[in-house]
Amino acid sequence: QKEVEQDPGPLSVPEGAIVSLNCTYSNSAFQYFMWYRQYSRKGPELLMYTYSSGNKEDGRFTAQVDKSSKYISLFIRDSQPSDSATYLCAMRDNNAGNMLTFGGGTRLMVKP
Amino acid sequence: EAGVTQFPSHSVIEKGQTVTLRCDPISGHDNLYWYRRVMGKEIKFLLHFVKESKQDESGMPNNRFLAERTGGTYSTLKVQPAELEDSGVYFCASSHWTGGVETQYFGPGTRLLVL
Repeated sequence: QKEVEQDPGPLSVPEGAIVSLNCTYSNSAFQYFMWYRQYSRKGPELLMYTYSSGNKEDGRFTAQVDKSSKYISLFIRDSQPSDSATYLCAMRDNNAGNMLTFGGGTRLMVKP
Repeated sequence: EAGVTQFPSHSVIEKGQTVTLRCDPISGHDNLYWYRRVMGKEIKFLLHFVKESKQDESGMPNNRFLAERTGGTYSTLKVQPAELEDSGVYFCASSHWTGGVETQYFGPGTRLLVL
């Protein structure tokens, strides 16, 4: 079983839709939760960073962490074609070093 | 501010050959990481440098992989001899700490194909 599970998609939505991306994980020691966006042929780019449980909002993006359910989400409001990319969740257990453990990524397509 | 750069962007080699990947981190970043994404799999950690020292190399798959970071600046990852299963995208990341939070910035990756 993978430590972090993420539906690979693709997820296709019309422009303006609300997008929900999710990851589940098995390691209860994860404390830091990140969402990266990766465009084709580019490296992952950090979008959101959350410590422990709770919500964090940044513009059109909202990250949620539910540690009791081992479930994290990224919501994108008013999605734009430029949001089309692969979204990767990543997590870190600080007691196990600084390495990030990634999900496989969800490919999102926002159609005009 | 220049981002993390990696060279080459692509490399195609034959099984048994040697390949060396280079990563130039963001200036001033002491932490440097190597990750790899094999086809169909998630990005996986290989190792972590703090300056020139290997802090964690628990993700290195075997002794055919050698990473160095002489002088604590750029880093190289050598694969010798390369095997078919080494094909994938190799990412480098560097990081800094701000307000107790570490942010890892990724390079564009080197796409390695071993034939």
